[in-house]
Amino acid sequence: NAGVTQTPKFRILKIGQSMTLQCAQDMNHNYMYWYRQDPGMGLKLIYYSVGAGITDKGEVPNGYNVSRSTTEDFPLRLELAAPSQTSVYFCASSYDRFGTFETQYFGPGTRLLVL
Amino acid sequence: AQKITQTQPGMFVQEKEAVTLDCTYDTSDQSYGLFWYKQPSSGEMIFLIYQGSYDEQNATEGRYSLNFQKARKSANLVISASQLGDSAMYFCAMGLSNFGNEKLTFGTGTRLTIIP
Repeated sequence: NAGVTQTPKFRILKIGQSMTLQCAQDMNHNYMYWYRQDPGMGLKLIYYSVGAGITDKGEVPNGYNVSRSTTEDFPLRLELAAPSQTSVYFCASSYDRFGTFETQYFGPGTRLLVL
Repeated sequence: AQKITQTQPGMFVQEKEAVTLDCTYDTSDQSYGLFWYKQPSSGEMIFLIYQGSYDEQNATEGRYSLNFQKARKSANLVISASQLGDSAMYFCAMGLSNFGNEKLTFGTGTRLTIIP
């Protein structure tokens, strides 16, 4: 049971380049999330998904896109990288149980530097 | 709009002492969940403890306990008998929704340093 995995661990992008951050979980969780963490700050929600084929925007979605074709995978796409997207990106997942709050389990993070 | 406030940017505590990390929250929802996560220097986010808004008793997990005062909208984390390995960033977070915690909002964190 690997939990939540993310690739790559670190990436340097040039302004205007595109990339996809990969996230996978093997816990059969319905819910998956993408957060970004800027230096000295807490995490902010970019996008989330409540199941395959269903995604929705979080607090800071501009400049990103997501898709969820399977329960296991939830990739995050940066189309035109900007310096403001320099951050650490965390993927997380959780169960879906009506009426309760389930713990989100986080991946190890991807450190992205846009120059 | 929901908000989490952590007013202590940094704390220094002697090893083996207890420490309280402050967290206040703001929401008009009646149903919510409060979480604490630990982020060591390696960067991963580690879940510590959870408190539901309707839970009557304070949550406890080993050396961690959550001092939940609903009327004051506070959810302080208490770590008993601190250890050197407790040195890390600690984040308080709140989840809103009956269908899961997709609206998880984080505070800015407190950096805890344990002194030998």
